[in-house]
Amino acid sequence: RKEVEQDPGPFNVPEGATVAFNCTYSNSASQSFFWYRQDCRKEPKLLMSVYSSGNEDGRFTAQLNRASQYISLLIRDSKLSDSATYLCVVGGVTGGFKTIFGAGTRLFVKA
Amino acid sequence: SQTIHQWPATLVQPVGSPLSLECTVEGTSNPNLYWYRQAAGRGLQLLFYSVGIGQISSEVPQNLSASRPQDRQFILSSKKLLLSDSGFYLCAWSVTGGSNQPQHFGDGTRLSIL
Repeated sequence: RKEVEQDPGPFNVPEGATVAFNCTYSNSASQSFFWYRQDCRKEPKLLMSVYSSGNEDGRFTAQLNRASQYISLLIRDSKLSDSATYLCVVGGVTGGFKTIFGAGTRLFVKA
Repeated sequence: SQTIHQWPATLVQPVGSPLSLECTVEGTSNPNLYWYRQAAGRGLQLLFYSVGIGQISSEVPQNLSASRPQDRQFILSSKKLLLSDSGFYLCAWSVTGGSNQPQHFGDGTRLSIL
Protein backbone atom coordinates (compact mmCIF):
# COMPACT_ATOMS: atom_id res chain seq x y z
CA ARG A 1 0.00 0.00 0.00
CA LYS A 2 1.31 3.45 -0.92
CA GLU A 3 1.95 5.83 1.96
CA VAL A 4 -0.26 8.49 0.35
CA GLU A 5 -2.84 7.58 -2.28
CA GLN A 6 -4.93 9.92 -4.39
CA ASP A 7 -7.64 9.53 -7.00
CA PRO A 8 -5.80 8.74 -10.26
CA GLY A 9 -7.80 11.23 -12.33
CA PRO A 10 -7.83 13.15 -14.52
CA PHE A 11 -11.00 15.01 -13.68
CA ASN A 12 -12.69 16.90 -16.52
CA VAL A 13 -15.34 19.32 -15.30
CA PRO A 14 -17.20 22.35 -16.70
CA GLU A 15 -16.75 25.80 -15.24
CA GLY A 16 -18.88 26.30 -12.14
CA ALA A 17 -18.82 22.66 -11.13
CA THR A 18 -17.94 21.41 -7.66
CA VAL A 19 -14.97 19.04 -7.57
CA ALA A 20 -13.86 16.76 -4.74
CA PHE A 21 -10.39 15.29 -4.36
CA ASN A 22 -9.77 12.39 -2.03
CA CYS A 23 -6.60 11.19 -0.38
CA THR A 24 -5.78 8.39 2.05
CA TYR A 25 -2.62 7.90 4.09
CA SER A 26 -1.20 4.79 5.69
CA ASN A 27 0.71 6.08 8.74
CA SER A 28 -1.68 6.75 11.59
CA ALA A 29 1.05 8.71 13.42
CA SER A 30 1.03 11.45 10.76
CA GLN A 31 0.50 14.89 12.24
CA SER A 32 0.43 17.39 9.39
CA PHE A 33 -1.53 17.53 6.18
CA PHE A 34 -1.46 19.86 3.22
CA TRP A 35 -2.84 20.37 -0.26
CA TYR A 36 -0.54 21.73 -2.93
CA ARG A 37 -1.27 22.84 -6.44
CA GLN A 38 1.16 22.21 -9.31
CA ASP A 39 0.74 23.84 -12.71
CA CYS A 40 2.21 22.13 -15.76
CA ARG A 41 6.04 22.28 -15.72
CA LYS A 42 6.04 24.43 -12.58
CA GLU A 43 6.90 23.91 -8.93
CA PRO A 44 4.25 22.83 -6.41
CA LYS A 45 2.72 25.66 -4.43
CA LEU A 46 1.03 25.40 -1.06
CA LEU A 47 -2.73 25.71 -1.43
CA MET A 48 -3.77 25.14 2.15
CA SER A 49 -2.94 23.31 5.33
CA VAL A 50 -5.52 20.86 6.60
CA TYR A 51 -6.61 21.04 10.23
CA SER A 52 -8.54 18.54 12.30
CA SER A 53 -11.52 20.85 12.50
CA GLY A 54 -11.56 21.35 8.76
CA ASN A 55 -10.83 24.68 7.13
CA GLU A 56 -12.08 26.85 4.35
CA ASP A 57 -10.42 29.43 2.15
CA GLY A 58 -12.82 31.04 -0.29
CA ARG A 59 -13.98 28.39 -2.73
CA PHE A 60 -11.69 25.75 -1.23
CA THR A 61 -12.58 23.52 1.72
CA ALA A 62 -10.29 20.91 3.26
CA GLN A 63 -11.35 18.16 5.60
CA LEU A 64 -9.43 15.65 7.70
CA ASN A 65 -10.77 12.38 9.08
CA ARG A 66 -8.10 10.88 11.34
CA ALA A 67 -10.11 7.77 12.15
CA SER A 68 -10.36 6.85 8.48
CA GLN A 69 -6.94 8.36 7.62
CA TYR A 70 -8.59 10.36 4.89
CA ILE A 71 -8.18 13.92 3.60
CA SER A 72 -10.36 15.74 1.12
CA LEU A 73 -10.31 18.95 -0.87
CA LEU A 74 -13.48 20.49 -2.25
CA ILE A 75 -13.43 23.20 -4.91
CA ARG A 76 -16.71 25.03 -5.45
CA ASP A 77 -17.64 27.09 -8.49
CA SER A 78 -14.54 25.91 -10.35
CA LYS A 79 -12.74 28.35 -12.65
CA LEU A 80 -10.67 27.77 -15.76
CA SER A 81 -7.67 28.88 -13.70
CA ASP A 82 -8.20 25.99 -11.28
CA SER A 83 -6.88 23.60 -13.94
CA ALA A 84 -3.78 22.05 -12.40
CA THR A 85 -2.56 18.96 -10.57
CA TYR A 86 -3.55 18.79 -6.90
CA LEU A 87 -1.12 17.08 -4.54
CA CYS A 88 -2.02 15.62 -1.17
CA VAL A 89 0.87 15.87 1.30
CA VAL A 90 1.29 14.11 4.63
CA GLY A 91 4.00 14.53 7.22
CA GLY A 92 4.79 15.23 10.82
CA VAL A 93 5.40 11.69 12.01
CA THR A 94 6.86 12.23 15.47
CA GLY A 95 10.58 12.97 15.31
CA GLY A 96 10.67 12.65 11.57
CA PHE A 97 11.35 15.12 8.79
CA LYS A 98 9.91 13.23 5.87
CA THR A 99 6.93 14.63 4.07
CA ILE A 100 5.19 12.29 1.67
CA PHE A 101 3.69 13.67 -1.51
CA GLY A 102 0.88 11.90 -3.29
CA ALA A 103 1.17 11.37 -7.03
CA GLY A 104 -1.44 14.06 -7.62
CA THR A 105 -4.80 14.33 -9.37
CA ARG A 106 -5.01 16.31 -12.58
CA LEU A 107 -7.96 18.68 -12.97
CA PHE A 108 -9.14 20.12 -16.28
CA VAL A 109 -11.81 22.82 -16.04
CA LYS A 110 -13.44 23.59 -19.38
CA ALA A 111 -15.55 26.50 -20.57
CA SER B 1 9.78 37.66 3.41
CA GLN B 2 11.48 34.42 2.55
CA THR B 3 12.60 33.57 -0.97
CA ILE B 4 14.25 30.53 -2.49
CA HIS B 5 16.47 30.64 -5.55
CA GLN B 6 17.38 27.66 -7.65
CA TRP B 7 19.52 27.54 -10.76
CA PRO B 8 19.91 26.85 -13.56
CA ALA B 9 16.32 26.64 -14.80
CA THR B 10 17.19 24.25 -17.61
CA LEU B 11 20.21 22.03 -18.16
CA VAL B 12 21.18 19.59 -20.88
CA GLN B 13 24.07 17.30 -20.03
CA PRO B 14 25.71 14.27 -21.69
CA VAL B 15 25.74 10.89 -19.97
CA GLY B 16 28.77 10.55 -17.71
CA SER B 17 29.21 14.27 -17.13
CA PRO B 18 29.22 15.85 -13.64
CA LEU B 19 26.36 17.84 -12.16
CA SER B 20 26.03 20.69 -9.71
CA LEU B 21 22.69 22.31 -8.89
CA GLU B 22 22.54 25.08 -6.34
CA CYS B 23 19.77 26.35 -4.11
CA THR B 24 19.81 29.29 -1.71
CA VAL B 25 17.22 30.58 0.70
CA GLU B 26 16.89 34.16 1.91
CA GLY B 27 14.96 35.72 4.76
CA THR B 28 15.13 32.85 7.25
CA SER B 29 17.70 31.14 9.45
CA ASN B 30 18.39 27.44 10.01
CA PRO B 31 15.76 26.21 7.57
CA ASN B 32 15.17 22.56 6.78
CA LEU B 33 16.23 22.04 3.17
CA TYR B 34 15.13 19.38 0.71
CA TRP B 35 15.96 18.10 -2.77
CA TYR B 36 13.26 16.32 -4.77
CA ARG B 37 13.15 14.82 -8.24
CA GLN B 38 10.02 14.54 -10.35
CA ALA B 39 10.11 12.30 -13.41
CA ALA B 40 7.80 13.24 -16.28
CA GLY B 41 4.18 12.59 -15.31
CA ARG B 42 5.15 11.23 -11.89
CA GLY B 43 5.05 12.31 -8.27
CA LEU B 44 7.79 13.92 -6.21
CA GLN B 45 10.58 11.70 -4.94
CA LEU B 46 12.51 12.96 -1.90
CA LEU B 47 16.25 12.64 -2.55
CA PHE B 48 17.91 14.41 0.39
CA TYR B 49 17.00 16.57 3.34
CA SER B 50 19.09 18.62 5.74
CA VAL B 51 18.33 20.05 9.17
CA GLY B 52 21.60 21.97 9.52
CA ILE B 53 25.02 22.74 8.08
CA GLY B 54 26.80 19.55 7.12
CA GLN B 55 23.83 17.38 8.12
CA ILE B 56 22.49 15.45 5.15
CA SER B 57 20.06 12.53 5.11
CA SER B 58 19.72 10.45 1.97
CA GLU B 59 16.41 8.85 1.11
CA VAL B 60 17.29 6.71 -1.88
CA PRO B 61 20.52 5.04 -3.02
CA GLN B 62 21.74 6.65 -6.20
CA ASN B 63 24.70 8.31 -7.85
CA LEU B 64 23.68 11.72 -6.48
CA SER B 65 25.00 13.48 -3.40
CA ALA B 66 24.07 16.63 -1.51
CA SER B 67 25.98 19.12 0.58
CA ARG B 68 25.10 22.04 2.79
CA PRO B 69 28.21 24.19 3.12
CA GLN B 70 26.32 27.18 4.54
CA ASP B 71 23.12 27.58 6.53
CA ARG B 72 21.01 28.65 3.57
CA GLN B 73 22.81 26.89 0.73
CA PHE B 74 22.03 23.40 -0.53
CA ILE B 75 23.87 21.76 -3.41
CA LEU B 76 22.99 18.65 -5.38
CA SER B 77 25.86 16.95 -7.19
CA SER B 78 26.82 13.96 -9.26
CA LYS B 79 30.19 12.80 -10.53
CA LYS B 80 28.75 10.88 -13.50
CA LEU B 81 25.20 11.38 -14.72
CA LEU B 82 23.04 8.49 -15.94
CA LEU B 83 20.18 8.64 -18.43
CA SER B 84 17.83 7.85 -15.56
CA ASP B 85 18.85 11.08 -13.81
CA SER B 86 16.71 13.10 -16.22
CA GLY B 87 13.86 14.90 -14.52
CA PHE B 88 12.63 18.01 -12.79
CA TYR B 89 14.74 18.79 -9.70
CA LEU B 90 13.15 20.84 -6.99
CA CYS B 91 14.70 22.42 -3.93
CA ALA B 92 12.43 23.27 -1.00
CA TRP B 93 12.71 24.80 2.44
CA SER B 94 10.64 24.76 5.60
CA VAL B 95 11.03 26.36 8.99
CA THR B 96 12.78 24.33 11.66
CA GLY B 97 10.57 21.83 13.44
CA GLY B 98 10.22 18.48 11.74
CA SER B 99 7.73 17.97 8.94
CA ASN B 100 4.82 19.74 10.67
CA GLN B 101 5.59 22.81 8.63
CA PRO B 102 4.75 23.19 4.94
CA GLN B 103 7.55 23.21 2.41
CA HIS B 104 8.10 25.97 -0.10
CA PHE B 105 9.66 25.20 -3.45
CA GLY B 106 12.08 26.90 -5.81
CA ASP B 107 11.30 27.21 -9.49
CA GLY B 108 13.06 23.92 -10.26
CA THR B 109 15.72 22.77 -12.70
CA ARG B 110 14.69 20.75 -15.72
CA LEU B 111 17.56 18.33 -16.41
CA SER B 112 17.83 16.40 -19.64
CA ILE B 113 20.52 13.77 -20.10
CA LEU B 114 21.56 12.92 -23.65
